[in-house]
Amino acid sequence: GQNIDQPTEMTATEGAIVQINCTYQTSGFNGLFWYQQHAGEAPTFLSYNVLDGLEEKGRFSSFLSRSKGYSYLLLKELQMKDSASYLCAVMDSNYQLIWGAGTKLIIKP
Amino acid sequence: GAVVSQHPSRVICKSGTSVKIECRSLDFQATTMFWYRQFPKKSLMLMATSNEGSKATYEQGVEKDKFLINHASLTLSTLTVTSAHPEDSSFYICSARDLGSSYNEQFFGPGTRLTVL
Repeated sequence: GQNIDQPTEMTATEGAIVQINCTYQTSGFNGLFWYQQHAGEAPTFLSYNVLDGLEEKGRFSSFLSRSKGYSYLLLKELQMKDSASYLCAVMDSNYQLIWGAGTKLIIKP
Repeated sequence: GAVVSQHPSRVICKSGTSVKIECRSLDFQATTMFWYRQFPKKSLMLMATSNEGSKATYEQGVEKDKFLINHASLTLSTLTVTSAHPEDSSFYICSARDLGSSYNEQFFGPGTRLTVL
């Protein structure tokens, strides 16, 4: 079956760095997405990786290793507004998104 | 960037009534739109894939006669929850795929919170 695993919850301190991991097993691979979702709101797109390596976008970076079925989202210089759920999603061979359950990130002052 | 609107944002209805939710892509054409539901503290659950001009594809366990989907144009898809019951109360989110984007990502509407009394 298809499976996306990510930690349920993480806590970090304002100004620090946090890494959210995601492992996946899917039928086919057409890219991995990270979305941010604040409580009561719809997800917003953060990043996309389809080739191995690191993609950097401001304070956020995303890494992919296809051979390991592994990705992480790195958030630097954490701000209180970064408190949200972070969803990992893989696009399978049918171009359907398979979603992880999300990681709730709690930022403490 | 691509914008998807969803209406209404919040609806409260009595059990047994039907509720229609609209999803529009405002600045791009979407041949494919997706309907999700999300329960509190749970991940997104894909309900159906809506293709313009053809019947929607429903995920296993989703009743197509209860959740009617119509994708009449390249910018509009509607989800109608028929004869709603309290267990249908949830957060319904639509998304649309922008084929013109570099990443083929889905852009999400703001969601509709449905409460069935």
